[in-house]
Amino acid sequence: EIVMTQSPATLSVSPGERATLSCRASQSVSSNLAWYQQKPGQAPRLLIYGASTRATGIPARFSGSGSGTEFTLTISSLQSEDFAVYYCQQYINWPPVSFGQGTKVEIK
Amino acid sequence: QLQLQESGPGLVKPSETLSLTCTVSGGSISSSRYFWVWIRQPPGRGLEWIGSIHYSGNTYYNPSLKSRVTISVDTSKNQFSLKLSSVTAADTAVFYCAAWDKVGAIPFDYWGQGSLVTVSS
Repeated sequence: EIVMTQSPATLSVSPGERATLSCRASQSVSSNLAWYQQKPGQAPRLLIYGASTRATGIPARFSGSGSGTEFTLTISSLQSEDFAVYYCQQYINWPPVSFGQGTKVEIK
Repeated sequence: QLQLQESGPGLVKPSETLSLTCTVSGGSISSSRYFWVWIRQPPGRGLEWIGSIHYSGNTYYNPSLKSRVTISVDTSKNQFSLKLSSVTAADTAVFYCAAWDKVGAIPFDYWGQGSLVTVSS
């Protein structure tokens, strides 16, 4: 099973600032890496797939990068609606599909 | 635009079987394009993939749950279902159904709103 590790667990950022979230895979997942955003009481929403492709309707301030075992989600200028929990997911070596434990982006 | 909706009991007794159904609208569950997925999230915790099914009947389960999980498809109702047997309090979670576009290589693009299932006597 591929283990996904996200850091940091919590990220405190001021509105308008840049946020950088990290995800590491225990073995290579090539570019088969997705990012999801989850707000309280809501289902997760797909933001990025293929490590760097934005899903339909996702604003350009969200960008993904990386390949192999190291990945980054960058939010260029945090808006109030971006404060949420973010999960990475690998989907190449399954079962099982595996998620990271999440990074909470909170208001500083 | 696919829409998914979970339904089922919100309370299950320990040792019994949890059963949930996901109704798909806006598209056919018989589409070869999609895998249909169940995910769960215990309160305050992260996401866990339970398993996936293709309309053809091919199923894939999380090894950690495989002995207790059955996922099936009902094409006549455009639904797929989850059964989780011998539940304990540790199975209390919000259960989500989702769609995985295997042809487009787009994971989990469509989600249901989630169904909270509590395991308690």
